[in-house]
Amino acid sequence: QVQLVQSGAEVKKLGASVRVSCTASGYTFTGYYIHWVRQAPGQGLEWVGWINPKTGDTNYAQRFQGWVSMTRDTSIRTVYMELSRLRSDDPGVYYCARDLRNDYNVGEYDYWGQGTLVTVSS
Amino acid sequence: QSALTQPRSVSGSPGQSVTISCAGPGSDAGIYNYVSWYQHHPGKAPKLIIFDVTKRPSGVPDRFSGSKSGNTASLTISGLQPEDEADYYCCSFAVSYNVYVFGTGTTVTV
Repeated sequence: QVQLVQSGAEVKKLGASVRVSCTASGYTFTGYYIHWVRQAPGQGLEWVGWINPKTGDTNYAQRFQGWVSMTRDTSIRTVYMELSRLRSDDPGVYYCARDLRNDYNVGEYDYWGQGTLVTVSS
Repeated sequence: QSALTQPRSVSGSPGQSVTISCAGPGSDAGIYNYVSWYQHHPGKAPKLIIFDVTKRPSGVPDRFSGSKSGNTASLTISGLQPEDEADYYCCSFAVSYNVYVFGTGTTVTV
């Protein structure tokens, strides 16, 4: 069965970097885009960006451009999201989610990771 | 890019129907047919309940239905059940910005 398993909770200091992983199983890893979605404390869902695991192409929401980076390692079926220079408004739960269409990207997510809590301390 | 606008909360008694609207700032939700809806219980991952505006993934009860008119998409829950109490989000593609946008979220109380 399809599964996305994310890395564990992180506590980082302001200005530090954090990398969250999302390991896929149960389907052709390079066949489906992976998106990242954030839920800040007390807030709604917010789209962060996507990565095409086949090509490594990425697209980020404007507010994350410049400090988010998404990469993948096809040998271990894992995508990564790295946030650099953590800011006070970066905390939240970050989810990876699989786009439901094979080989193209429509922003509809059929499988989700369990979420990774990122806490930023001063 | 602005979020899609949803009512903050809706409520209903068991067995009743509720409808949640999702309006784009311009015509974003009206010119793109990939509108999806998610049910989100606190502490759990969101769950896809509607995709392509009107389609239900297998396993999603048929009391959930989606529609679209102009620049507004809607989710209707018919025959409310206690387990339907959750937050609901729409999501669509903002053509002007080439990005995806979630709605502001609606809390459904049963």
